[in-house]
Amino acid sequence: EAQVTQNPRYLITVTGKKLTVTCSQNMNHEYMSWYRQDPGLGLRQIYYSMNVEVTDKGDVPEGYKVSRKEKRNFPLILESPSPNQTSLYFCASSLADRDTEAFFGQGTRLTVV
Amino acid sequence: GQSLEQPSEVTAVEGAIVQINCTYQTSGFYGLSWYQQHDGGAPTFLSYNALDGLEETGRFSSFLSRSDSYGYLLLQELQMKDSASYFCAVKKSGGYQKVTFGIGTKLQVIP
Repeated sequence: EAQVTQNPRYLITVTGKKLTVTCSQNMNHEYMSWYRQDPGLGLRQIYYSMNVEVTDKGDVPEGYKVSRKEKRNFPLILESPSPNQTSLYFCASSLADRDTEAFFGQGTRLTVV
Repeated sequence: GQSLEQPSEVTAVEGAIVQINCTYQTSGFYGLSWYQQHDGGAPTFLSYNALDGLEETGRFSSFLSRSDSYGYLLLQELQMKDSASYFCAVKKSGGYQKVTFGIGTKLQVIP
C-alpha cells in the first residue's frame, strides 16, 4: 500500500528541547516536503527536497532543519522548539519535475510549552 | 511571491451544486491542484488542471483559466460527507519547485 508515515502522531515537549519528527514514504518519490497547518493560515510549506541531498526552503523555514540522506526518509528537526512552533505538521511526497498527486502523512500534532 | 485566494467558508444544501473559487497571483507553475481535508485528517488529492479547461472526476470537476488567473472546484450532488475543507495549490516549475496552498474553504453541507 502506497503511504507516507509520520511519527509521532502527537508530541508535547518543552521549550528548547530538541526533537525530530520522522517521515518515510514507500513510493520511490523524489519530492518530499513538510508543511505546518495553523487555523486561518492553511498549509504553509516549511522545507522541501527534490531528491537525495537536495533541500530548499519553503515559505516558513525559520526554526526548522531537514535532511535527505535517503530517498525514502525526510526528517524534520526542531533544534530549539518554541511555543510559536505549536502546530499540526504534515509530511508529503510526490514525483519531482512535474505536478502530480501529493500523498500526505497522517500528521503530527506538536505542542511546545 | 505566490498567493492563492479562496473564500473561507461556504454553506450548501445536500443534493445541490457548489463552486469553490481560487484566484491566484503567481506565474511559472505546473498547474492547479485541489485537495480535500476532513477535520482531524490529512489532505487528500481531488483533482488537477495542467491545462486550461474543465477536468471531470465523478461528482467533482475542476477548471483553470491561466489568462484570468482563476480556477474553481465544482462539487455536484452534494452529500453530507462532502463537508470538509478544500484547498487549491500550485507548484512552481523550474529549479525551485516550491508549493503554495490557499488558506482553504470550509464547506458545510446542510440537510
